[in-house]
Amino acid sequence: DTAVSQTPKYLVTQMGNDKSIKCEQNLGHDTMYWYKQDSKKFLKIMFSYNNKELIINETVPNRFSPKSPDKAHLNLHINSLELGDSAVYFCASSQWEGATQYFGPGTRLTVL
Amino acid sequence: QQQVKQSPQSLIVQKGGISIINCAYENTAFDYFPWYQQFPGKGPALLIAIRPDVSEKKEGRFTISFNKSAKQFSLHIMDSQPGDSATYFCAANANFGNEKLTFGTGTRLTIIP
Repeated sequence: DTAVSQTPKYLVTQMGNDKSIKCEQNLGHDTMYWYKQDSKKFLKIMFSYNNKELIINETVPNRFSPKSPDKAHLNLHINSLELGDSAVYFCASSQWEGATQYFGPGTRLTVL
Repeated sequence: QQQVKQSPQSLIVQKGGISIINCAYENTAFDYFPWYQQFPGKGPALLIAIRPDVSEKKEGRFTISFNKSAKQFSLHIMDSQPGDSATYFCAANANFGNEKLTFGTGTRLTIIP
């Protein structure tokens, strides 16, 4: 049973397109996150949601919009994709903000 | 602002040797220091963690050493094995783990035969 799942695993798209990445956790956690990991492996937090409410919104272009339909899901929608958006995006969840985080398998986004 | 500085960026160790990764922090309010391990193609996963009331924590071949006065902590991997090859992230947060986790920049560890 996958604790934190993401779809799709790979996403290749053209510049200017709009795309979404979905995340689901079955751990019953209250907090969910989106991270961006670049080619140098830097792990940068983008957003954090607690019980469907946004609690962290780091300096991220407003082309990125997270949506949490319920506590178990946190989707990431990206408008007008740019070359620099190419990275691996990880979803994670934790029981509360600051508790041990459980990461999904990642979505490798390639913008051509 | 980089609140947790991690070094080295990459590390190559011979099988059976000791791997050492260091982290330094600035925020004196930090009171929880986990290490995450990430294998290629996978998400990071918690490896081991320490609170500042102890100076060392050991789990199998993995040991965290903590120096509160120097604001430094390090991960030691004894008898390093090829299966330990991964990227390691230190992290820290405050308020007994109730605040945002801040990650270090990561260390890519390669264990060679």
